[in-house]
Formats: sequence, structure tokens, C-alpha cells
Amino acid sequence: GAVVSQHPSRVICKSGTSVKIECRSLDFQATTMFWYRQFPKKSLMLMATSNEGSKATYEQGVEKDKFLINHASLTLSTLTVTSAHPEDSSFYICSARDMSGRDPNEQFFGPGTRLTVL
Amino acid sequence: QKEVEQNSGPLSVPEGAIASLNCTYSDRGSQSFFWYRQYSGKSPELIMSIYSNGDKEDGRFTAQLNKASQYVSLLIRDSQPSDSATYLCAVFAAGSASKIIFGSGTRLSIRP
Repeated sequence: GAVVSQHPSRVICKSGTSVKIECRSLDFQATTMFWYRQFPKKSLMLMATSNEGSKATYEQGVEKDKFLINHASLTLSTLTVTSAHPEDSSFYICSARDMSGRDPNEQFFGPGTRLTVL
Repeated sequence: QKEVEQNSGPLSVPEGAIASLNCTYSDRGSQSFFWYRQYSGKSPELIMSIYSNGDKEDGRFTAQLNKASQYVSLLIRDSQPSDSATYLCAVFAAGSASKIIFGSGTRLSIRP
């Protein structure tokens, strides 16, 4: 099946710093990737849709200048949390669709990145 | 009305019994339906997909789809403690700007 990786798996940073999270599709090309955030015991929240070669589409209420998304290649999307604060501490998960797979609508998730901002 | 609705649970089922998880959706144009399993602290894992009315079986899992009633369900036979997780129902609809809509998930607990 399609494999998606994320790096780092866990990061702890000081308030005010920026953190970059990478999402890679390892064995397929992904023109579209998705970034989610999940707080403890809460459901997945879609933050933005990342499109290769164009601007990301952000969900309502998500600050695009706070959460910078770059999808520079067909296998890599990055999410940068700028000037992170403790309230940004969360589990960030990316997913990708394999457009050449059996169902181009299936989404495969990365293992997630746990961000803790002190 | 939420686009994809699930009972949050927790649903407690004895080991060896059948666990039944239900999901309803609002968009009649929905095309693809998925069940994901999420263990605590982990990311979701795709376990079943279904596209046409009826049942689809894969090992101990059976997905059922009824488009007329707009519901999709997941049955887990011979439930094991390792099945304890949150199960997310997800629906892809033509009008959803090309994205999957997730339900909030049902917590399933299998008691020994």
C-alpha cells in the first residue's frame, strides 16, 4: 500500500520559534496532500489542502501566515508553524492521495508529529 | 447538521462478540466511503473502503453501505482486545471540494 512518512515524529521547542514538519509520499506521487491537527481526545481537524505547484487552500479559521505550507515537489509537502506558542502544541498529521492507486480518493496518513511548545 | 455523524461512544463489547459501528452522512452525492482505525496517540489507518450498496468483507471486518438511507456501517466479528481503538468514518463527496469528510469517531472498547 501507499506509504507516507513524516519528520520529525516529535519536537519540543521554545515559544516564539518556528518549527518545520515534513510529509513525504514514499512510493507514489501526490499532487494533493492534507494537513490535520488533533488535540487530545478530539477529532481530526483539517487545516489545509496542499497542492503541488500552487498555493495551499486553508480551512476557515486557520491562519495562513501562521501555518506556512509549501508543496514544492510531487512527494514532499512541508508545514511550518511560525512563532509557535503553547496553544499550538498538538498532534499534526499529514495525508496524501495516490492518484494512480486503485481509488484516487483514498487518503493515506503519515505517522504524525507531536509538537510541544514550552 | 454535521456532514458525517457517528456516535462518540464509548462502545463496550465483550471479547469474541460482534462490534457494530454506524455512520450517517448528509450528502447524497457521496461516492466513496472509508473506515479508519486510530489507536491512542497514533495516526489513522485505513482498514476498509466501500463504494457500492451492499456488504464488503475483509477478514473479520464487514463494511455495509446503504446509499438510499445514507448510512454506512462496520462490523467486527470475533472482537479482540487489540480492536480497542477509535474508528473514524470518512466520506468522499463530489461537492466537498475534493476532500474527504471525517466523522468525529466512535471509541470502541473490547472487554476481556
